[in-house]
Amino acid sequence: ETGVTQTPRHLVMGMTNKKSLKCEQHLGHNAMYWYKQSAKKPLELMFVYNFKEQTENNSVPSRFSPECPNSSHLFLHLHTLQPEDSALYLCASSLLEGPREQYFGPGTRLTVT
Amino acid sequence: GEDVEQSLFLSVREGDSSVINCTYTDSSSTYLYWYKQEPGAGLQLLTYIFSNMDMKQDQRLTVLLNKKDKHLSLRIADTQTGDSAIYFCAETRTGGGNKLTFGTGTQLKVEL
Repeated sequence: ETGVTQTPRHLVMGMTNKKSLKCEQHLGHNAMYWYKQSAKKPLELMFVYNFKEQTENNSVPSRFSPECPNSSHLFLHLHTLQPEDSALYLCASSLLEGPREQYFGPGTRLTVT
Repeated sequence: GEDVEQSLFLSVREGDSSVINCTYTDSSSTYLYWYKQEPGAGLQLLTYIFSNMDMKQDQRLTVLLNKKDKHLSLRIADTQTGDSAIYFCAETRTGGGNKLTFGTGTQLKVEL
């Protein structure tokens, strides 16, 4: 595997379910990010992890719970979601030095029913 | 300010040049980036430019930065149907750490 991978690519869940999104980066980066992309809205940064430590929580509801066990893996645990949480969830990674350009995974298309 | 603005749509004919524009309000930008997103996919980094540069060229892509006017553009030469996508500009700012601020995206449609 190369780059940034995300699983699953598609997820349909009910409002009472618990599920997790997984992201893995194979680029040797030390920062990882979760973004939410909804139709007709700008890309929203949700969480930032630098060296496994959370450095930003952009006022995300507690029904989204991130976990970063090491610099290569990032999870987003989901529980009791709402239909308005349906969106494309994108993971990205970068170095913390230099241009800090972020590389994105393909995303997980989440539908909450 | 927080805004990074782009026009919503651009339509060009195959073989023509495309110019996608972006304006930003924060003068502390350090790096500016262009990303491409095809349907159902994540964002693909195309290129980036450091804020003390005026221009950067990479094959068919030319980035122009006018820091005085806070204006960034991406020119795609010889536009092909495979270039049809949404293009996002983004910036990092002094004191903003590694946080990217994205524009709203420009939908580029390439017609035959």
